[in-house]
Formats: sequence, structure tokens, C-alpha cells
Amino acid sequence: KAGVTQTPRYLIKTRGQQVTLSCSPISGHRSVSWYQQTPGQGLQFLFEYFSETQRNKGNFPGRFSGRQFSNSRSEMNVSTLELGDSALYLCASSLGQGTHNSPLHFGNGTRLTVT
Amino acid sequence: GQQLNQSPQSMFIQEGEDVSMNCTSSSIFNTWLWYKQDPGEGPVLLIALYKAGELTSNGRLTAQFGITRKDSFLNISASIPSDVGIYFCEVKTSYDKVIFGPGTSLSVIP
Repeated sequence: KAGVTQTPRYLIKTRGQQVTLSCSPISGHRSVSWYQQTPGQGLQFLFEYFSETQRNKGNFPGRFSGRQFSNSRSEMNVSTLELGDSALYLCASSLGQGTHNSPLHFGNGTRLTVT
Repeated sequence: GQQLNQSPQSMFIQEGEDVSMNCTSSSIFNTWLWYKQDPGEGPVLLIALYKAGELTSNGRLTAQFGITRKDSFLNISASIPSDVGIYFCEVKTSYDKVIFGPGTSLSVIP
């Protein structure tokens, strides 16, 4: 079974630009969530999508947005990039159903550098 | 707000030694999960705990869900060089938001 795939692997942008990151979940997984990882802040939850609907959202500004398509693939967008947005962006998929935590399956991330 | 604490923040051990780390919170959670992140990769699930007091093993790894539901620990026996990485605990709040601990960085000296 193919794992979670994130593209691109590395990205360099300048302040003020916008960026779109892509995530393909494990086949059959309907939940996709996004995380920002920085050395100082650890893993911070951005948002979760399930069946094309945003089910949960972390405490990030509106410049961070996402969407999920009917095939469960997801994209996240960051507009008006700031230097502080430099981070590893991780996507995780899960079955997303049931009362227990559905374990997360992570991709290897997109390393975004804002200059 | 709700947050997790992990200790130690980092540790350097000799190959073959046992490792113990924990994850604590002031809030109660009903499931605790442990992940390991290798350099340059995403975290990978190690162990999932779903019942207070539960003790679960996965090879050289053993994890326990604290009886108070406010903590969990992870032990690694007979460490090897490939155990190097960052270990995270994870819980989910009653609002279905995922929270990760800040991580414990493990270095193994051959």
C-alpha cells in the first residue's frame, strides 16, 4: 500500500508570495490533517479535512487555508508568506472514523523556506 | 489551554542502555499515542494506548497509559543506533483536536 505522498519536497519562496502544497493520502483514508513543524514550536495542528469538509482547525491566521477533493487528496495554501512561515509542513492521513484516535500516517513533509 | 509536556527534552545514551521517557498533562485524555520521527522524515506510529492502566509492548518498546489518564510513559530496552530520533506523544481533545508533545530527542552513542 502506498504511503502518504507530499509534493513538493522542498520549496523556496520570498516574502509576500503564496504557496500551495499537495498531499495524497493512503488509499481508503478519508481524513487528511496538516501540521506545521518548527524547532521552537514543535508540531502544531493546522486543520483537518474529512470527506471534503474542514472538520477542525488549529490556531493559525486566515492566511493558512486548505481544501480536500473528492478523491481525498488535499492541498494547503499559505498566502502573503512571512519569514516565520518557514517550516516543515506535514500531512497525515487516517481512517478518521470511530471514537478512538485513528492513528495518523504521515508523509515526509514539504520543507518551506521563506526568504 | 491544553498541552502536553515531555521529559526529558533530550537524552544521550550508550548503545545497549535502556531508555525511559514520559508525557504528562494537567488534563485527562482517553487515548495516548507514541510516534517516532527519523531525521528528514515524517513521524511514524509506534504504540497506541486506549485504556487507562494499559501496558502495551511492541518489540523492544513498552508503553503505559497512566491510571489517572493524565500521563503515559515509553520505555525502550537495549537501545541501538537506529533508535535515534525524536519521540512524540499525541492525544486528541474532546473537540477532536490533535495535540502533540514537544518531543524527546534521543541520541545513541555506539
